[in-house]
Amino acid sequence: DVKVTQSSRYLVKRTGEKVFLECVQDMDHENMFWYRQDPGLGLRLIYFSYDVKMKEKGDIPEGYSVSREKKERFSLILESASTNQTSMYLCASNPFLLGAGGNTGELFFGEGSRLTVL
Amino acid sequence: KQEVTQIPAALSVPEGENLVLNCSFTDSAIYNLQWFRQDPGKGLTSLLLIQSSQREQTSGRLNASLDKSSGRSTLYIAASQPGDSATYLCAVVAVNTGKLIFGQGTTLQVKP
Repeated sequence: DVKVTQSSRYLVKRTGEKVFLECVQDMDHENMFWYRQDPGLGLRLIYFSYDVKMKEKGDIPEGYSVSREKKERFSLILESASTNQTSMYLCASNPFLLGAGGNTGELFFGEGSRLTVL
Repeated sequence: KQEVTQIPAALSVPEGENLVLNCSFTDSAIYNLQWFRQDPGKGLTSLLLIQSSQREQTSGRLNASLDKSSGRSTLYIAASQPGDSATYLCAVVAVNTGKLIFGQGTTLQVKP
């Protein structure tokens, strides 16, 4: 079974702190994604990566950065956490499929990281 | 711009009922459609993936259909159980962007 593991299920941080959210997948997937999920707003894509050291902005990248130094690991960084970044953060991965847009493989999610910024 | 809509937002049924969840999308140019389940406070679990060339997929008591021309998909749950209570989301990969677009979800409650 594909497993996407997010290192922290619950975090509480203070405004201005630097926050790292780690995600590891064990199925050799090329694509990895970070979403945030908020009531009434649904899932919104923050950043994604198609390969090591590659990153692409999603719909709401402001206030976030990412790092992908190894294929299996994709980190989300909040340089200076703010209260409006309190949210559920979801990591996902899928395989890159040639000839079909590259993003058509089945998507697998981690358990989520609930971040509260005080 | 591709938009995905799930109606109703919430549904409550008695145990044992067969039920249908709906998902509609505005642009028929999709690569695939995926149904997910989300339990409160948890991540999303993939249920079924339907490629654009397929009409349906089945897994156990779940059956998902896809009608690209009308921009609709349905998730059929047979003989519902209280353990099926969760939020169900659908998502499509749009051809023009290659991005996954999610619906807002339908929250299902199955009462014993």
